Order: sequence, then structure tokens, then C-alpha cells
Amino acid sequence: SQQGEEDPQALSIQEGENATMNCSYKTSINNLQWYRQNSGRGLVHLILIRSNEREKHSGRLRVTLDTSKKSSSLLITASRAADTASYFCATGGSGGYQKVTFGTGTKLQVIP
Amino acid sequence: DAGVIQSPRHEVTEMGQEVTLRCKPISGHNSLFWYRQTMMRGLELLIYFNNNVPIDDSGMPEDRFSAKMPNASFSTLKIQPSEPRDSAVYFCASRTGETQYFGPGTRLLVL
Repeated sequence: SQQGEEDPQALSIQEGENATMNCSYKTSINNLQWYRQNSGRGLVHLILIRSNEREKHSGRLRVTLDTSKKSSSLLITASRAADTASYFCATGGSGGYQKVTFGTGTKLQVIP
Repeated sequence: DAGVIQSPRHEVTEMGQEVTLRCKPISGHNSLFWYRQTMMRGLELLIYFNNNVPIDDSGMPEDRFSAKMPNASFSTLKIQPSEPRDSAVYFCASRTGETQYFGPGTRLLVL
């Protein structure tokens, strides 16, 4: 089964609004990453947060991680139509293999 | 750098035929992944290679699927015989550090 579960499954907002997506996972992790997938394309890495970090920023992206609740959130501020895509969290396990497991994704639509 | 290259981009075949998907990872990346994406099952890891050696093939659905990585710059995923339920988008990704770089995918339709 998938390690990560994103919530909501779909989100529709107006351009300029903020978008928040959540990810919950089940086992201990070394890191958590967020990826974006535009329609018909491969996934593109956005940001990585390590298990000992609580918050990270990159441009209009803000990621938080709460290891006690096994959850993470991705906030996109001042959304643009070009942010329309699916967003996936990916959890990296501990140990030598560091298997990465992708969640089910949140489909974001930003309406111009 | 050209990124991860996959071929073909689209493949339509008939049930029972052999299908071979190809991937060229980014030069210098020592890890390679094959994924399958469908609406029903999402993104599934099929197999992971490290330094050309298969490390985890627990996601390979069944014996009809096989993957090879004969050298650091080339990998194949083969389905023989193909079935309609194999229809999906197949992604190859290579990794340096902790970040995976995905190819554009091969959209496979098995009739």
C-alpha cells in the first residue's frame, strides 16, 4: 500500500489564493519530498525536508513536517495558473536502501 | 544535460505482443527506478537499480515483467506477453543524492 496519503485529493482555487496540501505517512522516515506533475509529464522535484527539520521554504513554497503526527503540509502562496498540476509527497525510509514511496497525489487547479 | 530519456514516448500494441521500454539515465546518476502510473493504483515502484544491480524488484507485478541494466547509461523494461491491464504510463527516474529525476514517460496501450 502507499506510504503517503495526500489530502485533499483535489483542490480548486482562484489565482492569487494560497493552496495547502497535506500528506500523512505511516512509518519512520529520513526525509520527505514533494514533487509536482504537470499533465502528461514526469514528476519534478520541488523540495526536500529532513526528519530533523520542522519547516522549509523555497520561493513561494513552504513545507512543514510534524514527525510526531507523521504528517507534512505543502503551502503554495499567491498561486498562479501555472501551478495547476498534481502534487505528490514522497517519503524516504531509513536504512541503507532509503526506498522512496510516493503518495496518491493532490490534483490542484488554479483558476485564472 | 538532456535529462532522463525514455523511448518510445507512446506505444500501442496488441495483447500477447512483447513490449520493450527503454531508458537512458542522467550521466553520473548511480540509481535508476522504473515506475508505473495508473489512475487506479497511482504511482508504483516496479524495480530499483543501484550501480546497475537490481536492489529491489518486489514491485514487479509478475514474471511477464523483466528489467535489465547492462551498463550505467541504459536500462530496459520488458513485458512479454503484454496484457490489456498493463496499459499505463511507465516512468524511468534516475537519482543523485536524494532527488529523483523523472523521464517524460512511455504511454503504453495494450489492446
